Amino acid sequence: GAVVSQHPSRVICKSGTSVKIECRSLDFQATTMFWYRQFPKQSLMLMATSNEGSKATYEQGVEKDKFLINHASLTLSTLTVTSAHPEDSSFYICSPATSADTQYFGPGTRLTVL
Amino acid sequence: QKEVEQDPGPLSVPEGAIVSLNCTYSNSAFQYFMWYRQYSRKGPELLMYTYSSGNKEDGRFTAQVDKSSKYISLFIRDSQPSDSATYLCAIHNTDKLIFGTGTRLQVFP
Repeated sequence: GAVVSQHPSRVICKSGTSVKIECRSLDFQATTMFWYRQFPKQSLMLMATSNEGSKATYEQGVEKDKFLINHASLTLSTLTVTSAHPEDSSFYICSPATSADTQYFGPGTRLTVL
Repeated sequence: QKEVEQDPGPLSVPEGAIVSLNCTYSNSAFQYFMWYRQYSRKGPELLMYTYSSGNKEDGRFTAQVDKSSKYISLFIRDSQPSDSATYLCAIHNTDKLIFGTGTRLQVFP
């Protein structure tokens, strides 16, 4: 199966700082990258969709200036949470998709903002 | 009305039991249905994928879609403690996946 890595797996930061999460597709090329957020005991909520080399499309209610997405290559995408606050504490999961619209999921990054 | 509804559980069953997990959806135009398994603090992994109505079997797992009642099910036969996880149904809507809330399953020895 396809291998997706996320780094870091866990991060704790102070309120007001920025955090960058990396997502890599190790053995395939991802033309599309989905970023999800999952709060405890809740489902995955799509935050944004990005295509390689294009600007991301954000879901309603997700601030594009707060959650910066870069999808500069077919194997790497980053999500930067800027000026993080405690309410941003969540489990962030990337999901690269191939041109055949097959989605894979990363192992997730647990963000805790103090 | 939510596009996908799923009972969050938790569901606790003894080892060897048959487990039935269910979701309902609102839009009759949906055609692609998935079941994902998510272990604690991990990303989801695809279990089953079905198109339109009918059944699909893979080992101990059977996915069932009833489009007339907009109801999808996942059955697990001979459940094992290693099946303990959260199971999420998902529907592919144009270019997005819409997830249910997930049902937490606990299989005890």
